[in-house]
This record gives sequence, structure tokens and C-alpha cells, in this order.
Amino acid sequence: GQQVMQIPQYQHVQEGEDFTTYCNSSTTLSNIQWYKQRPGGHPVFLIQLVKSGEVKKQKRLTFQFGEAKKNSSLHITATQTTDVGTYFCVSNFGNEKLTFGTGTRLTIIP
Amino acid sequence: EPEVTQTPSHQVTQMGQEVILRCVPISNHLYFYWYRQILGQKVEFLVSFYNNEISEKSEIFDDQFSVERPDGSNFTLKIRSTKLEDSAMYFCASGGARMNTEAFFGQGTRLTVV
Repeated sequence: GQQVMQIPQYQHVQEGEDFTTYCNSSTTLSNIQWYKQRPGGHPVFLIQLVKSGEVKKQKRLTFQFGEAKKNSSLHITATQTTDVGTYFCVSNFGNEKLTFGTGTRLTIIP
Repeated sequence: EPEVTQTPSHQVTQMGQEVILRCVPISNHLYFYWYRQILGQKVEFLVSFYNNEISEKSEIFDDQFSVERPDGSNFTLKIRSTKLEDSAMYFCASGGARMNTEAFFGQGTRLTVV
């Protein structure tokens, strides 16, 4: 079935280090969304990418959509304790259900 | 800022009992969803609802599940005969006019089946 794989599953970084999570699909994606879920919280929308090769930035966060629209990445520069949580890439594969990736859980070592 | 509201925040029920989880989506949204997340695992799609009918459903959403929008504001998920494996966090979400817009998630209802 249609699914989105993410790596790594877990990432522990020292505060101030960078962090990257990668998302891959075997099929072409119409778009990719990124959500963040804080521990004990609910998914919160971060951004949507639609165009091939698109790059968007939000302060310390950089989002990329691959040229073939089959992969995406989220890079956080100089992590802070507020970045703790699970990051999900999400796609709808052209229908109405959002298919969540497996998620990358980020923990920060102060 | 508008938000999706879910009640109750926590529901404990005995196996075999019926439960109704309630959601109030953002008022001008047209797409409504239920997702579930078993502790520490991925977020799984259950059902989407548009124009007063189910538009998509997953294989998880079998005959024991149903959704309703009884009064134009509330959006409910009913589980007819709960099983132990239904224990999870259930999230309601709503989206705007276009399919490819962001989804706004509620705080979730933690369902515990004992």
C-alpha cells in the first residue's frame, strides 16, 4: 500500500547540534506536509511543499522536497530544547486521507 | 485562534461497551477526519468525512465504527463494541475548503478499554 518511510526512527542530539529527518516514498507524491507532535500532544502542522525541488525555511527549520517528488527532508539548525518531539512527514497521495510517515522522535540532551 | 475541540479527554470503558467520542471542528471547515495513535506508534488514518458522507476509510474502520455529524457542528466517532486493542489516542482533525490544505488536530481523546 501507499506508505511513507522516515529515518531515523529516533535521534538524540546535544543542544546546539543540527538534526535532520528524511522521508521516502516509493511513489510520486502530490505534496508533502510536515507535522510536529510534542510529547503528550497532538500533531501540529508545520509546512506544506508542493513543487519539485522546493525548499522552504522557517527560522531554524529548512524543508526540502525532492526533484522526483518521492522524498523530503527536514533540517533543524542549532537545536533547542523546544524542538523536542516527533516529526512526521505526511502525504495524501492524491486522495483525502493523510498518510503519516513513521515519524522521527527527537530528544535533546541539554 | 480557532481550534478543534475534543471531549472527553480521557475515556475508560469496559470491553464490549459502546463509546462515543466527540469533536467540534473549526466552524468553516469542510473536511473532517478521525485518526488514532496507539501509544508511541504512528498516527493511523481511520476515516474522512466530506459533504455529510464518508469520503475515505481505512481497513481499520470496520463495521464496529461509525461517524456522524448530527447537528452541523459536532462530529462524532462511535465504537459499537470496544475491544482491548481499541485502546489508543483518538484524534479528530478538520481541514479547510481544499483537500490539500493543512489539517488542524484536536487535543485527542485517550480511550482505555479494560
